[in-house]
Amino acid sequence: QKEVEQDPGPLSVPEGAIVSLNCTYSNSAFQYFMWYRQYSRKGPELLMYTYSSGNKEDGRFTAQVDKSSKYISLFIRDSQPSDSATYLCAPSSGGSNYKLTFGKGTLLTVNP
Amino acid sequence: DTGVSQDPRHKITKRGQNVTFRCDPISEHNRLYWYRQTLGQGPEFLTYFQNEAQLEKSRLLSDRFSAERPKGSFSTLEIQRTEQGDSAMYLCASSLILALDTQYFGPGTRLTVL
Repeated sequence: QKEVEQDPGPLSVPEGAIVSLNCTYSNSAFQYFMWYRQYSRKGPELLMYTYSSGNKEDGRFTAQVDKSSKYISLFIRDSQPSDSATYLCAPSSGGSNYKLTFGKGTLLTVNP
Repeated sequence: DTGVSQDPRHKITKRGQNVTFRCDPISEHNRLYWYRQTLGQGPEFLTYFQNEAQLEKSRLLSDRFSAERPKGSFSTLEIQRTEQGDSAMYLCASSLILALDTQYFGPGTRLTVL
């Protein structure tokens, strides 16, 4: 079993839709949960992060972590064509080593 | 602050040749990471530096790979005797040592081994 599992999609939605992206993980040591967005042929850019369990909202984006079920979610409200990208979940254990363990990424297309 | 830069952006080489990539982190960032990303996969950790010290290397980093960060600023990643399986995007990220080690990625170097 891989440490981080993410459905690669692809996911295609109409503009304005609510998008739900999800990951599961197996390592109980993960404490920090990042979401990165990666446009084609570009490096990943940090979208948002949460620490431990709970929700965090930033504009149209909401990140959710449920440590009891080892489940990570990213919700995008009022999706826009500019949101079309690959979304990568990346948990980290923190401490002395913050290396990221990425999921495969979900390719999202928002159609105008 | 111009962000993390990587050079070259693209490299095509023949199997068996040596290649070297360079990463310039965000100034004053003391951590520097290398990741490798193949098509359809997320980035995989290769190694990281805190200042000039290389603190961890992944099992993915065979003895054909070597990374340096001689003065704690820019870093180089060298691959000797390249193989077709080395074809990938090589990503560099940098961060400050803080409570949350937010990593900022460069645009990557795309390597194609023929």
